[in-house]
Amino acid sequence: AQKITQTQPGMFVQEKEAVTLDCTYDTSDPSYGLFWYKQPSSGEMIFLIYQGSYDQQNATEGRYSLNFQKARKSANLVISASQLGDSAMYFCAMRENTGNQFYFGTGTSLTVIP
Amino acid sequence: KAGVTQTPRYLIKTRGQQVTLSCSPISGHRSVSWYQQTPGQGLQFLFEYFSETQRNKGNFPGRFSGRQFSNSRSEMNVSTLELGDSALYLCASSLPSGKSTDTQYFGPGTRLTVL
Repeated sequence: AQKITQTQPGMFVQEKEAVTLDCTYDTSDPSYGLFWYKQPSSGEMIFLIYQGSYDQQNATEGRYSLNFQKARKSANLVISASQLGDSAMYFCAMRENTGNQFYFGTGTSLTVIP
Repeated sequence: KAGVTQTPRYLIKTRGQQVTLSCSPISGHRSVSWYQQTPGQGLQFLFEYFSETQRNKGNFPGRFSGRQFSNSRSEMNVSTLELGDSALYLCASSLPSGKSTDTQYFGPGTRLTVL
């Protein structure tokens, strides 16, 4: 089974609107971390936001927030007030406490329309 | 604090040659992971090194190898290059503390083209 599933290959959003990128995960480890990365066309993977499995509140970092629904095993990224510079690939990832490997999803390509 | 650096940034090789890519982690980070990214296969884990030892390995042939030095710098080597090895190779470093909170920070990547 896939550890991380991103079902939206491509998304479009109007500038200044909010957008939600979906991510579901699969693990039996009670302790894990969830991450979102942004990859612009330049190629570098940029860390955006982290959510721990025991965190009671959803993580936020500026315009990024993580909608964490533990029972549903989902960790959706919400980008508020989209900007043209947000156009990029977005990857969801997970790290289990029992291992040292990161598991990445297949990514979602976000295009912000002016 | 300086980020993860990778050299070279771009590389063109021909089939059958070998190549060595270098990665310098963030100062204080002791774990280095390598990934291959292609349009068809996405992001695939190659291996992870910690304290000069390979700790995890992905599902790649033995032509792909790596090592880590005492200063945590890492190199990966691909021998007998094939056309399918053309990809963006990303290096990521983390502390690690051994917890699920460890974040990986990525370098800019090395774009390898095999002709």
